[in-house]
Formats: sequence, C-alpha cells, structure tokens
Amino acid sequence: AQSVTQLDSHVSVSEGTPVLLRCNYSSSYSPSLFWYVQHPNKGLQLLLKYTSAATLVKGINGFEAEFKKSETSFHLTKPSAHMSDAAEYFCVVSFSSIYNQGGKLIFGQGTELSVKP
Amino acid sequence: DTEVTQTPKHLVMGMTNKKSLKCEQHMGHRAMYWYKQKAKKPPELMFVYSYEKLSINESVPSRFSPECPNSSLLNLHLHALQPEDSALYLCASSRSGDRVPETQYFGPGTRLLVL
Repeated sequence: AQSVTQLDSHVSVSEGTPVLLRCNYSSSYSPSLFWYVQHPNKGLQLLLKYTSAATLVKGINGFEAEFKKSETSFHLTKPSAHMSDAAEYFCVVSFSSIYNQGGKLIFGQGTELSVKP
Repeated sequence: DTEVTQTPKHLVMGMTNKKSLKCEQHMGHRAMYWYKQKAKKPPELMFVYSYEKLSINESVPSRFSPECPNSSLLNLHLHALQPEDSALYLCASSRSGDRVPETQYFGPGTRLLVL
C-alpha cells in the first residue's frame, strides 16, 4: 500500500532559525514526491518535487528536500525561517502504475508551521 | 503561466439551492481535478477529468455533478447539499492525467457554506 506520514502535526520555530518538516513514505512502486504549501484560506502551491533525478531537490523560497530511499524519507528543510513561511505544509506521494490511473496524489495529514518573531 | 482560477471565492447556499463552481486554466493541460478540503485536513479527491472525459469518480454523492465543457473549463454543479458539505473546494490541473505522475497545479479554491 502507498502512504505518507508527516511526523509532526505542528512545528514552531523562531524567525531566522532552521526549519525541518519530516515526511516518511511507503510505496511499492518508484515514487514521485512533492511538497505543497497552503497559506490560510488559499490554494496549494508547489514548493518542490522529486521525480527520480537528483536526490537533493531545491524548491522555491529557499526550501529544499532530500530523497533518502534507504530511510523512505523526504524531509523538507530551510536554513532560515521567515515570518511569511507560517503555513500548512503537505507531503505528497504519487506513483506510476496501472493501479494509479490518473496519477492520483496521496497526501500526508499536514504539518502546521508557526514562526515566532 | 501556472495559474488556475476559480469562481466564486465564497459561496453561501441553502440546502434547496442549485449553484455551480467554475474552474479555468489556460496552460494547455488535459487533466482537471476537483478536491474537497475540510478544515485542518488534506484535500480529498472527488473527480478527475482526462481529455474532457470523466476518468475517476471517488464515490461522490450525486448531489455533486461535474462537467467539463472543454479542455480549459471545469464546473461543479451543486444541488440539495447538506451542511456537512461545507468546505473549501479546490480545482487542479495537470498536463495529461496519464499514469505517469505529474505535477498538479491548484487554484485558490471556493469556500462553500451550506446553511
């Protein structure tokens, strides 16, 4: 079965300190992995995606994530948090298979990031 | 341009009303999606259209009726909704909706309140 687990439902950091949002996945197939961000009352914005190329993926707004197959992890990091980073973050997996017609996305439960001044 | 637009932004309707949500994209994408998102939860897939044909219906109640008039437009017709249908309705699009995983681009959503 395919699944995504975001290990923290809420993370709080101070402005200017590093951000780490943790994500583990389970997939019987070669996965594609995404991080999306959702600001309050907004749609989802793609931060970055991994699709079997480089394992270290750089995204927008200074975020990056590293695909570690041995650990089945895809943690999201940022060296220095900004107030505008406060939002909900979703780790998402998809995969290519006859069992995934339409390329359905499997969402984690989300991590709420708070940034303190 | 990676923009998906949705109208209206907000909608309040009674349980006997009929209303429609609209979604539009001009990225040349051939797959479009409807999701429902409750507060503090991830989006839940409702429908997928690929090349203007309904390819996935996630057992959604018939009071929700999707329509894809052309490759750029996606509608969601609402009738006889229940208060528990109140949610953020998100539209998304992707290149083709084939089995190869694709990036989905989301619109800002329509916040629906059913009274």
